[in-house]
Amino acid sequence: GIQVEQSPPDLILQEGANSTLRCNFSDSVNNLQWFHQNPWGQLINLFYIPSGTKQNGRLSATTVATERYSLLYISSSQTTDSGVYFCAVHGGNNRLAFGKGNQVVVIP
Amino acid sequence: GAGVSQSPRYKVAKRGQDVALRCDPISGHVSLFWYQQALGQGPEFLTYFQNEAQLDKSGLPSDRFFAERPEGSVSTLKIQRTQQEDSAVYLCASSSRTSGIQRRDTQYFGPGTRLTVL
Repeated sequence: GIQVEQSPPDLILQEGANSTLRCNFSDSVNNLQWFHQNPWGQLINLFYIPSGTKQNGRLSATTVATERYSLLYISSSQTTDSGVYFCAVHGGNNRLAFGKGNQVVVIP
Repeated sequence: GAGVSQSPRYKVAKRGQDVALRCDPISGHVSLFWYQQALGQGPEFLTYFQNEAQLDKSGLPSDRFFAERPEGSVSTLKIQRTQQEDSAVYLCASSSRTSGIQRRDTQYFGPGTRLTVL
């Protein structure tokens, strides 16, 4: 199956700092989603981004499908940004293949 | 409802007991998925339904796991004779597009059921 690698695995940020999370995947994919898993375990959709760049407030994402990677940018981080960020790719058969996540802690 | 709902949110079972986990997808969503998330890991695919048809069950870890969606809406994941290694969060997701050459649509996740097997 498709392998998804996320880096860095853990990140500690000072409130107000910017950061970039990376997702590499091993094969061609039909699509890609970024999620934020909050402390209560809920997976919240951030982006559905097969290619190109999208922005939503302080978050933006870029996927370069031909080079098999995606980036998630967090600008002016806030404590509410803490949690685990997951990249997941759509390969065959609709299933999502997830990476192990980026654990982000934003300290005030 | 507005989103995917799951019940119960928490379940504690003694080893050997059977459990049933329920998922109510977003109204009208054709596709439904079950995932298992172990502590500190990303979710892993278990099974996929398109309407009432179970099209992919290759991720189910053993024959103790069984899923159904008899009317193409609510789904139940059943685990028989639970073992300690079954302890995990079970996530349900739904999406509005079918498979095939169409673009795969966004999957929306429920809050999960945290299963603890003692």
